[in-house]
Amino acid sequence: EVQLVESGGGLVQPGRSLRLSCAASGFIFDNYAMHWVRQAPGKGLEWVSGISWNGGSAGYADSVRGRFTISRDNAKNSLFLQMDSLTAEDTALYYCARGGSSSYFYYIDNWGQGSLVTVSS
Amino acid sequence: DIQMTQSPSTLSASVGDRVTITCRASQSINTWLAWYQHKPGKAPKLLIYKASSLERGVPSRFSGSGSGTEFSLTISSLQPDDFATYYCQQYNSQSRAFGQGTKVEIK
Repeated sequence: EVQLVESGGGLVQPGRSLRLSCAASGFIFDNYAMHWVRQAPGKGLEWVSGISWNGGSAGYADSVRGRFTISRDNAKNSLFLQMDSLTAEDTALYYCARGGSSSYFYYIDNWGQGSLVTVSS
Repeated sequence: DIQMTQSPSTLSASVGDRVTITCRASQSINTWLAWYQHKPGKAPKLLIYKASSLERGVPSRFSGSGSGTEFSLTISSLQPDDFATYYCQQYNSQSRAFGQGTKVEIK
């Protein structure tokens, strides 16, 4: 069974940084691309970032490009999202999600339960 | 960037109704489109990929169609478990935009 467990969320002040982690199990992690998707309170789903199986290709939403960095450690079956220069607009539930193949250009087929990030002074 | 527009934003329907949700892309995405179901407090669930392929384990009352810029998700006979918010997402380009969502409510 595919399991994706996010951690690292919490309350952070505007302008500060936070690093999210996602622990993956139940599948061969380095066979799959991975993504982060978020949902702000009362809003819809927003794709944030994605990374190919080996980290060689990554993409970002315009709203986070230059502030967020996605990375992965295949030896530890882990996905990360480094979030810098946070603003109130980054307040959201952040989901770790698995792509359906090793290619970055594929649909998402599994999701974690999410980690809540609140940016407030 | 490719933009995705869903309609309607909210849909009120009864158990047994046939419902259709539409998703439009701002430029052609071939058939690189997925549909997801999302319920409050739960992880989103993949329903359809490649515009019309049913994910394993998803009931056959769900179907998808379309190509290019126009797509639709149809539920042939709405069941109590289907009241949720539905999202389309394109995976044709580097930026993987979702539609804004369609909330299916009980009439």
